[in-house]
Amino acid sequence: KQEVTQIPAALSVPEGENLVLNCSFTDSAIYNLQWFRQDPGKGLTSLLLIQSSQREQTSGRLNASLDKSSGRSTLYIAASQPGDSATYLCAGGGNTPLVFGKGTRLSVIA
Amino acid sequence: DGGITQSPKYLFRKEGQNVTLSCEQNLNHDAMYWYRQDPGQGLRLIYYSQIVNDFQKGDIAEGYSVSREKKESFPLTVTSAQKNPTAFYLCASSMRTLGGQETQYFGPGTRLLVL
Repeated sequence: KQEVTQIPAALSVPEGENLVLNCSFTDSAIYNLQWFRQDPGKGLTSLLLIQSSQREQTSGRLNASLDKSSGRSTLYIAASQPGDSATYLCAGGGNTPLVFGKGTRLSVIA
Repeated sequence: DGGITQSPKYLFRKEGQNVTLSCEQNLNHDAMYWYRQDPGQGLRLIYYSQIVNDFQKGDIAEGYSVSREKKESFPLTVTSAQKNPTAFYLCASSMRTLGGQETQYFGPGTRLLVL
């Protein structure tokens, strides 16, 4: 059964810093890897989806990579801003519905 | 204005009471999902539906029931058999599931509290 782990659970950085969030999964037979953002008390907003045939996706200051062989994905946030403060979740999808990690709670300090 | 709506935003349940959470989507998506989120936890799948009149249990289906009579609607009932229902409930949809390459879209959530 797919298991998804996110490290660290929480991260605090000063504004302007570049940062990396990590996601690992146990079953390399995933079809896609998705990164979501969740603000307190809100639903999830999709950030990036990486299909199994891709190695990375970019959207603005965000870049997500996927390495199926090592079971890892990273979300890179460039020039972080206080508005980036939120919880970031990754989820792996295969021949079953998405399996979610517990998320990394990011605080960007002005 | 396309999207997923959930109602109510807050719901209070008395002991022994069944309550129903509403989820509606106008994205013309085939697949719909219900997740439960507890503080500091990831999302856990309760039920999902790939097509009208069909649904499957997720990882934590006990104490919950669903129906999928219309493509747009996927209501979740929290029954009295669910002994710890306090949580944040999220509904989602996608064009397809099980191997599809599509993004899941989420509603704003319903917070269920027990009186």
